[in-house]
Amino acid sequence: KQEVTQIPAALSVPEGENLVLNCSFTDSAIYNLQWFRQDPGKGLTSLLLIQSSQREQTSGRLNASLDKSSGRSTLYIAASQPGDSATYLCAVGAGGTSYGKLTFGQGTILTVHP
Amino acid sequence: KAGVTQTPRYLIKTRGQQVTLSCSPISGHRSVSWYQQTPGQGLQFLFEYFSETQRNKGNFPGRFSGRQFSNSRSEMNVSTLELGDSALYLCASSFADREVGYTFGSGTRLTVV
Repeated sequence: KQEVTQIPAALSVPEGENLVLNCSFTDSAIYNLQWFRQDPGKGLTSLLLIQSSQREQTSGRLNASLDKSSGRSTLYIAASQPGDSATYLCAVGAGGTSYGKLTFGQGTILTVHP
Repeated sequence: KAGVTQTPRYLIKTRGQQVTLSCSPISGHRSVSWYQQTPGQGLQFLFEYFSETQRNKGNFPGRFSGRQFSNSRSEMNVSTLELGDSALYLCASSFADREVGYTFGSGTRLTVV
C-alpha cells in the first residue's frame, strides 16, 4: 500500500526566502506525481505534474524534482511571497488499474509573513 | 474555459438522511474522480468514473455510491448519513487520465448534524 509523507508539517518563513518542501513515498512504482496548493476551505489548485520518466518540472518561481528510485520529490519555491501562504499537497498516481486514484500526503502548511 | 463545477457548495443534513452531490467536469474531460477530505484522514479516494463506467473504487462502505452520465457529469450519493461523513467532498476531472493530471473543483462542504 502506497504511503506518502510530507515534511515539514508546517513552515513559517519571512517574505523573500527560498524554501523547500519535501515529499516521500514508499512504493517507487508510480506513474506520476502532482503538487497542489489548497487555500483554507477551498479546492485544490494544481501546481506541477511530473511524469515518472521526468526528473523535474518548472513553473515560474516553482520547481519540482522527482527521484523515483529513492521515493522522493521536492518542491522548491523561490523568493516566497505572502500570497504563497497555503497548504501544499503532494499526490502520487499509480499505474495499472489504479484509475483516478491519487494518494495524498498530509500536506505542509506554509505561512509567509511580510 | 470553465473549470470543474461542484454543486452545492454547502450542505447541512441530519443523521440518517441521504444526500446527492453533483460534479460537472471540464468540457471534453471523461474521467471524474471523487475524494473525501477530513482533518483526521486527509484526502481519501472514493471512486473514479470514465464513460459512465466505474473503473476504480476506494475503501468506503456501500453507503457511498456514484454514477456518471453520458455528458460526463457525475453525482455521488451518500445514504444513511453519519456524523463522521461530515467532510469536504472534492471531485476531479481529467482529459487523458494520468498523462495530464487532474483538475479539482472547489468542493462541497457537507455537515451532518
